[in-house]
Amino acid sequence: DAMVIQNPRYQVTQFGKPVTLSCSQTLNHNVMYWYQQKSSQAPKLLFHYYDKDFNNEADTPDNFQSRRPNTSFCFLDIRSPGLGDAAMYLCATSNPGDQETQYFGPGTRLLVL
Amino acid sequence: AQSVAQPEDQVNVAEGNPLTVKCTYSVSGNPYLFWYVQYPNRGLQFLLKYITGDNLVKGSYGFEAEFNKSQTSFHLKKPSALVSDSALYFCAVRLPNTGTASKLTFGTGTRLQVTL
Repeated sequence: DAMVIQNPRYQVTQFGKPVTLSCSQTLNHNVMYWYQQKSSQAPKLLFHYYDKDFNNEADTPDNFQSRRPNTSFCFLDIRSPGLGDAAMYLCATSNPGDQETQYFGPGTRLLVL
Repeated sequence: AQSVAQPEDQVNVAEGNPLTVKCTYSVSGNPYLFWYVQYPNRGLQFLLKYITGDNLVKGSYGFEAEFNKSQTSFHLKKPSALVSDSALYFCAVRLPNTGTASKLTFGTGTRLQVTL
């Protein structure tokens, strides 16, 4: 089945230790998004890629970076995680012919010790 | 400012009764409106959307929503609730003129609790 996959589902890291979260898709969508969601709050958009064009939200901390080596994969890099970065990280994609609907992966829950 | 409001943190309803989860929006131009559902420790699942046309939109799992432009609302409804509908529901609006990427603004979510 076509889908959005996120690995790992749970990630534990140490304060200040770089961590990478991954997202892959089999939908062949050209837009990929990363959201941060804390404690049942609304998801907050961090950035998105339209093909290889990177679009950062104005309030996304510099600590958060992203890479998209190809259509299928997108990575979220947190260079120096702080305790406040503990959250669920959601990846989503949208369809070239249906830009309005986003399809979400199951999320990666990050714990910072 | 463009925003989405979900005035109820939680909605409680008995199984078999109708349910309504409220959403109001504030956006310049013609909004695109969405409902997503999130089960514990899962990602968001798309339920339905309003882009244009008929104000009553039908979606997955028997849910529907009515777009009301005069009241700037997009309430989610279901005629008969199931215990399995218990989850966190998010309303979202697409900001107009954001190019080709669908940049969504989400409401704060409403937890639906359906009991026997």
